[in-house]
Amino acid sequence: EVQLAETGGGLIQPGGSLTLSCAASGFTVINDYMGWVRQAPGKGLEWVSIVYSDGRTEYADSVKGRFTISRDIAKNTLYLEMNTLRVEDTAMYYCVRTGGGFFDHWGRGTLVTVSS
Amino acid sequence: DIQMTQSPSSLSASVGDRVTIACRASQSIRTYLAWYQQKPGKAPNLLIYKASTLESAVPSRFSGSGSATEFTLTISSLQPDDFATYYCQQYSGSPYTFGQGTKLEIK
Repeated sequence: EVQLAETGGGLIQPGGSLTLSCAASGFTVINDYMGWVRQAPGKGLEWVSIVYSDGRTEYADSVKGRFTISRDIAKNTLYLEMNTLRVEDTAMYYCVRTGGGFFDHWGRGTLVTVSS
Repeated sequence: DIQMTQSPSSLSASVGDRVTIACRASQSIRTYLAWYQQKPGKAPNLLIYKASTLESAVPSRFSGSGSATEFTLTISSLQPDDFATYYCQQYSGSPYTFGQGTKLEIK
C-alpha cells in the first residue's frame, strides 16, 4: 500500500528556513515523479514543485529560487527545503506522488505558518 | 501559464440530483486533465485522470468528459458522501495548475 507521511511543519518567522520531509512506503521514490502541493488556509490548491524520475526539478514561480526539492534514495524520502519564507507561504503542504503529472497519492499534510 | 477556470464556484443540490461541474483551460491541454474531491480537513483524493479515466475504487456515478479546453465532471446521482469541494487540474505541462474549486453543498 502506498503511503506518504509528511513532517517538519511549524511556526517560523518571516525570512526563516524550514525543511519538510515526506517518508514514502509501498513504492520507491526514485522510480516515480514526486512533488509538493500546498493549500493556504481557506484557499484552493497550488502546485509547488516536482522532481521527475530522471532527477529534473521544476518549481512554481512563487517559490523559484527559495525552495529546493530533493530525494534521499536510501531513506526513500522526499524533502522540500524552504528558505526566505514569507507570510504568503503559510499553508498546509502536501507530499504527492504523481502518475505522470496528476497526483494519485497524497499525504495528510504538514502545516507551515509564517508569522512574526 | 495555463489558467484553469471552474464553474460554478459553489453549487447547492439534493441527494439523488445529477450535477455537472465545468472546467475550462486557457489553451488546449488535450486530455491532460484530472479531477479531485476534497473534504474539510482532509487531503484531496484523485477521482479522474486523462479527462475521463476513473481512478480505481472511485464509484461509477462519477464521470468525466471533454478535451482541448472544455471539460466536465458529472455526478449522476448525488450521495451524502459527495458533498465536498472539487478541483480540476491540468498536467499538460509545468506549472501544473488547478481550478479555483467548486464547493458542492446540500440544498
